[in-house]
Amino acid sequence: DIQMTQSPPSLSASVGDRVTITCRASQGIRNALGWFQHKPGTAPNRLIYNASSLQSGVPSRFSGSGSGTEVTLTISSLQPEDFVTYYCLQHNSYPWTFGQGTKVEIK
Amino acid sequence: EVQLVESGGGLIQPGGSLRLSCAVSGISVSTYHMSWVRQAPGKGLEWVSVIYSGGSTYYADSVKGRFTISSDTVTNTLYLELNSLRVEDTAVYYCARGAAGDWGQGTLVTVSS
Repeated sequence: DIQMTQSPPSLSASVGDRVTITCRASQGIRNALGWFQHKPGTAPNRLIYNASSLQSGVPSRFSGSGSGTEVTLTISSLQPEDFVTYYCLQHNSYPWTFGQGTKVEIK
Repeated sequence: EVQLVESGGGLIQPGGSLRLSCAVSGISVSTYHMSWVRQAPGKGLEWVSVIYSGGSTYYADSVKGRFTISSDTVTNTLYLELNSLRVEDTAVYYCARGAAGDWGQGTLVTVSS
């Protein structure tokens, strides 16, 4: 099974900050990777697909990069609604696996 | 617009069975692969299963042999049959299109005696 190690588990930042979240795969996953935002009590929302493609309707402050064994999600300028939890999901091979999540908190 | 609406969750005793449904509109389950994902209380997201339009199915190790994913192209509905339920299967279960491009709102399954 492919293990997805997501870091950091949590981070504290301020509105307007630039933040980066990383997922490292135990094996190559090509670009079969999505990034998700999850607000409590709601369904998760995909931000990025194929590692770097922005989902329609998602603000351009979100971007994804990388492939192979390391991928990153960058939020260029944090907004108040961005202080929630983020997950990566690899769907290159079965079983698909999520990262452990990164909780973004207000400093 | 894609809409996914889950139902069938509830309180069930350990060892019991349950069938979750996901009513799909806006796309055809005969065209897209469909997934189930769950989130246990206080835990992260966990992928559960996927079914392809050709009928191929795949499962997480934690549910293999106990859960069965299926779809009905006539009613355009996705299902997840949960058997031999354990306390650790307690979670909100979400259905999703493909590699989770669209999600339902989830249905809560509570396994407890």
